[in-house]
Amino acid sequence: GNSVTQMEGPVTLSEEAFLTINCTYTATGYPSLFWYVQYPGEGLQLLLKATKADDKGSNKGFEATYRKETTSFHLEKGSVQVSDSAVYFCALATSGGSYIPTFGRGTSLIVHP
Amino acid sequence: EAGVVQSPRYKIIEKKQPVAFWCNPISGHNTLYWYLQNLGQGPELLIRYENEEAVDDSQLPKDRFSAERLKGVDSTLKIQPAELGDSAVYLCASSLNRGFSGELFFGEGSRLTVL
Repeated sequence: GNSVTQMEGPVTLSEEAFLTINCTYTATGYPSLFWYVQYPGEGLQLLLKATKADDKGSNKGFEATYRKETTSFHLEKGSVQVSDSAVYFCALATSGGSYIPTFGRGTSLIVHP
Repeated sequence: EAGVVQSPRYKIIEKKQPVAFWCNPISGHNTLYWYLQNLGQGPELLIRYENEEAVDDSQLPKDRFSAERLKGVDSTLKIQPAELGDSAVYLCASSLNRGFSGELFFGEGSRLTVL
């Protein structure tokens, strides 16, 4: 079956620090990969996605590269801001799973001024 | 454009009481999802609707949970009777179709506390 493993949080950083949140996956077939973000008091929203190997998704300064050889989709940002404090969810979807996203447990990011 | 609307945002009930959650998806989105999110966990699918038809409901505990989506627009998720372990956030999401975009639009969720 499909599954996503994320690094445990919380991740605590100072403003302008470099961010990496690790995500690895197990999937049947060729998944599409996603990062969703949940800001405090809000619903989950799509941050970025990649649909095939070596694709790089990017948005709001965040990037993630689809690495088929290591089954990974790590989220990175070069310089985090306080406003990036949120919970980040890695997810995948496959045709065999009717394209319904399977989510990781989420990683909380706390950025201090 | 209005997003996915859920109500109530918070609900506190005694165990064995019934509870219902309502969701209004984004206009024109024919696919609707109910997810369960336990504390510190990612969302887990309960049921997916394509228009008014329920599909992918294998994770819905049918002895106490029920859902409906009359007329293929808004949806209701019911628990009767509620148990202590049902305390969680119930998320509703919608998408334009279940094609390859994979993008779901989520509501803010309904947080249930069962005492």
